Amino acid sequence: QQPVQSPQAVILREGEDAVINCSSSKALYSVHWYRQKHGEAPVFLMILLKGGEQKGHEKISASFNEKKQQSSLYLTASQLSYSGTYFCGTSDQTGANNLFFGTGTRLTVIP
Amino acid sequence: NAGVMQNPRHLVRRRGQEARLRCSPMKGHSHVYWYRQLPEEGLKFMVYLQKENIIDESGMPKERFSAEFPKEGPSILRIQQVVRGDSAAYFCASSLSPGNTIYFGEGSWLTVV
Repeated sequence: QQPVQSPQAVILREGEDAVINCSSSKALYSVHWYRQKHGEAPVFLMILLKGGEQKGHEKISASFNEKKQQSSLYLTASQLSYSGTYFCGTSDQTGANNLFFGTGTRLTVIP
Repeated sequence: NAGVMQNPRHLVRRRGQEARLRCSPMKGHSHVYWYRQLPEEGLKFMVYLQKENIIDESGMPKERFSAEFPKEGPSILRIQQVVRGDSAAYFCASSLSPGNTIYFGEGSWLTVV
């Protein structure tokens, strides 16, 4: 049930863009994206509930392709504050709310 | 509006002792989740509770681990006879209802010595 994330790690210079992918072997009902900094709680970024839905949050946006059972997180014009580990959490049943998280993508933004 | 509150933040236990971790969900939230995170790893689902009911405990080890969310008071994750492998960060999260955003607490770091 655990989704697969790629890449596992990425290093960016400030201002560069990145894409993080999350795919599942099961049909997805929802995808939730979080960012976690070392030693801290995961912080909610966005939730996608419908196939094909796209959401944006400042320069961070995401898409959800229900057919391909995958979601992508787009970070544009990255800032130093974007550094952290990004997790996607997926739910594969309508109404079920416990999420299964991928292994994370460690993003490091350098000056 | 206070977020998800967990305590203690850090807990040290000797092998064989019991660990009790407490979680108060966000105001108005009746759905609570517990996740475990080992160093440098992802979040592993343990248990999902609604007031007085365990909805899904498929991720929780059958032995030594138990969870409750009573009608009054916080949710409690209890680990009996702790072993070194139980050392991890335990995160509690809550949501208003199924399908809604899940918010995480700051975590409880358990160290077993």
